[in-house]
Amino acid sequence: SSELTQDPAVSVALGQTVRITCQGDSVRSNYASWYQQKPGQAPMLVFFGKNLRPSGIPDRFSGSTSGHTASLTISGAQAEDEADYYCNSRDTNFNHVVFGGGTKLTVL
Amino acid sequence: QLQESGPGLVKSSETLSLTCTVSGDSIYIVNYYWGWIRQPPGKGLEWIGSIYYNGNTYHNPSLNSRVTMSIDTSKNQFSLKMTSLTAADTAVYYCARESRASYADSSGRYLTLDPWGQGTLVTVSS
Repeated sequence: SSELTQDPAVSVALGQTVRITCQGDSVRSNYASWYQQKPGQAPMLVFFGKNLRPSGIPDRFSGSTSGHTASLTISGAQAEDEADYYCNSRDTNFNHVVFGGGTKLTVL
Repeated sequence: QLQESGPGLVKSSETLSLTCTVSGDSIYIVNYYWGWIRQPPGKGLEWIGSIYYNGNTYHNPSLNSRVTMSIDTSKNQFSLKMTSLTAADTAVYYCARESRASYADSSGRYLTLDPWGQGTLVTVSS
């Protein structure tokens, strides 16, 4: 199975824009989905597909894909966005599921 | 909503049995799979496997043959069994509804896990 690689940690100043990336062969042919996880909570889907957000997710969360890199962008990061973020997608064999290792976002 | 249930403490070499009860949704929906994911303390997420309403399953190859999943549509539940436990299996275990979709223009596929259960901590003791 393939792997998805994320930077372990990223920081952003309050109100600024930050991009969290996810690299791997599986995102060449599958759109990544993104999850936010705060301490002690289950992950929550925040972005998926070409340009889809679940109901209730602010539009400051957006996503894109270029080649083998998927990105989650938070435009105007808020204090409440501080969390761990995980990407996932279908594996290159389409039946399995893979996760990135996660990125810890700190809002300064 | 999804809710995991099972023992919080299991002895090494024994078998873990977890059940996920789905409410407010029918488990007998052709568009959804039902998945298990785990997260060791302080670490990232790991997909364990997924099961379809008709019993078809896919599981993480890294877990080899230790994983068995089943589904009970009459109870709106699906279950996970994992054998030969070791300390490395200590984790929070989550269940989630899994959606696998493709764009009609063949521009790509995506998979989502949403919603998730609250998770249950399983500790493997020696």
